[in-house]
Amino acid sequence: NAGVTQTPKFRVLKTGQSMTLLCAQDMNHEYMYWYRQDPGMGLRLIHYSVGEGTTAKGEVPDGYNVSRLKKQNFLLGLESAAPSQTSVYFCASSRPGQGSRRGSYEQYFGPGTRLTVT
Amino acid sequence: GQNIDQPTEMTATEGAIVQINCTYQTSGFNGLFWYQQHAGEAPTFLSYNVLDGLEEKGRFSSFLSRSKGYSYLLLKELQMKDSASYLCAVRRGDYKLSFGAGTTVTVRA
Repeated sequence: NAGVTQTPKFRVLKTGQSMTLLCAQDMNHEYMYWYRQDPGMGLRLIHYSVGEGTTAKGEVPDGYNVSRLKKQNFLLGLESAAPSQTSVYFCASSRPGQGSRRGSYEQYFGPGTRLTVT
Repeated sequence: GQNIDQPTEMTATEGAIVQINCTYQTSGFNGLFWYQQHAGEAPTFLSYNVLDGLEEKGRFSSFLSRSKGYSYLLLKELQMKDSASYLCAVRRGDYKLSFGAGTTVTVRA
């Protein structure tokens, strides 16, 4: 199993350009997530999905869109990149957590995409 | 934010013990996770606590007190490879996690 994979690994964009980050998982997980990680701020949830065809906003959704057309893929789009979107982006996936005594159902993370917007 | 607080940095000597504390707001609590993240890499799962008490996994242990909104991660017999960031995360509901900013641990020879 490859686990969670992300493409690309690195990208440099000019302000106003668009791009799509691709996340794929082969663990048959229902839930998928997109985070950004900035120095001193920890991981912040951008958007998430609880199943194929469904998406929802996280903590910092502005400037991003997502789609989950297939269970194994979760795409993150930037329509008009801004320097404030310079960050490291992580995708993650998990099974649904079902509370105490039923396991951790931890999130598995991809290797990250380092995006610079100039 | 979710007010998850942990120290920014800690330094310890190889072979020593380090304890990383994490405090959080208790509303909607459904589990606390610790992740390890080496520089330039993805976070990887270390431990999970949902009930009060200590969970031990080899050199790493994690403790939880739900009433106090407090957890710690204990790293014993430190090795150079333990130099990394340690992320505390709280789950509220079935799936969403809120992360602290992380504690960078530096192990010196």
